[in-house]
Amino acid sequence: DTGVSQDPRHKITKRGQNVTFRCDPISEHNRLYWYRQTLGQGPEFLTYFQNEAQLEKSRLLSDRFSAERPKGSFSTLEIQRTEQGDSAMYLCASSLFEGIGELFFGEGSRLTVL
Amino acid sequence: QKEVEQDPGPLSVPEGAIVSLNCTYSNSAFQYFMWYRQYSRKGPELLMYTYSSGNKEDGRFTAQVDKSSKYISLFIRDSQPSDSATYLCAMSPNTGNQFYFGTGTSLTVIP
Repeated sequence: DTGVSQDPRHKITKRGQNVTFRCDPISEHNRLYWYRQTLGQGPEFLTYFQNEAQLEKSRLLSDRFSAERPKGSFSTLEIQRTEQGDSAMYLCASSLFEGIGELFFGEGSRLTVL
Repeated sequence: QKEVEQDPGPLSVPEGAIVSLNCTYSNSAFQYFMWYRQYSRKGPELLMYTYSSGNKEDGRFTAQVDKSSKYISLFIRDSQPSDSATYLCAMSPNTGNQFYFGTGTSLTVIP
């Protein structure tokens, strides 16, 4: 499978716990994006990387959220001290810097905070 | 005002109908436009990609961009029950920048 892979697909946690999501992009893609989607809404931008550099972060990304992309390959998104409002689908997408830059999404990681 | 406005529907049509989905936007800098299809509890799947104004056709799907009106459309001909999904528009000023998404339109095609 050469698509974007995300893990875990679903995470249930208690308020106050930390969670981490992993994304493996399409292998030749050098850009990687994190989006968040709540029910009935479109995806909202969180952050993106070009190779290992984090180039842009949304103001939605509070200091409880941190994303990394070591060595420009896979990426992790960590949420510390989770709150019920963090419950959402966390989507990862990748694209090529060169060319027209279409975003290809993974299946998402659904977070439920109890 | 949101960057991208999209009627959430829901839209219900009989099988074989022509479906028209639309988005409006406020940022005149947008020049890259995409349409995604999203099934329930799945990630968005890229359907169409257009640059600047004009039309693009791919099988039963046609994407149109009218930058002068800040209006984009997706037409689905001969709609099928398998087209039942949420359709998201997305746009960006430049490749590689963040893409701004509409809220999605829920479509049901009735057999």
